[in-house]
Amino acid sequence: DTGVSQNPRHKITKRGQNVTFRCDPISEHNRLYWYRQTLGQGPEFLTYFQNEAQLEKSRLLSDRFSAERPKGSFSTLEIQRTEQGDSAMYLCASSSYEQGAYYGYTFGSGTRLTVV
Amino acid sequence: SQQGEEDPQALSIQEGENATMNCSYKTSINNLQWYRQNSGRGLVHLILIRSNEREKHSGRLRVTLDTSKKSSSLLITASRAADTASYFCATPKSYNTDKLIFGTGTRLQVFP
Repeated sequence: DTGVSQNPRHKITKRGQNVTFRCDPISEHNRLYWYRQTLGQGPEFLTYFQNEAQLEKSRLLSDRFSAERPKGSFSTLEIQRTEQGDSAMYLCASSSYEQGAYYGYTFGSGTRLTVV
Repeated sequence: SQQGEEDPQALSIQEGENATMNCSYKTSINNLQWYRQNSGRGLVHLILIRSNEREKHSGRLRVTLDTSKKSSSLLITASRAADTASYFCATPKSYNTDKLIFGTGTRLQVFP
């Protein structure tokens, strides 16, 4: 296992187009998280899954955003009708959240989205 | 909303010097974590300290936690140019979750 993998690394899209990002977590991890980070800021929580169940969505996640984690494996984050304000780094992380065996998140390298 | 706030926002030092970063948070926590982020990359987990611990070491890193003051510090000893990065503290949003809330980070520059 080589860690958390995110694709693509970079995405440039025109305003109004739809984009989809993929995250492959560490296979033993049951939790998967999406964060968004803009320049000079810390990561902001978007949503997370335990196995295939989406447990929480941030208010930052408008109706244009949707995330899935079919079969509790990889996850996709889709943004419909992109806006310039969606330009950011989208980070995926996974963790194994078990009592007495929790060691924090493992992050992927992120997908940088630029909306022009 | 930001749970943790790091201080200072930016720090510049020479190689070999020690770097200290501080983090304050607002709610009761069961752990606090520090992460490093190199420019344009994802975050790397450095260390996790639990609420019943006061100090933890990992190589050249030393983390302290004062739950009465709701604060933590990260000390990097004998810094190297490769330590240049942004450092974030993160705490669970509430006691029974591992959903992390990150601060705005300290940008550390280590000059050779």
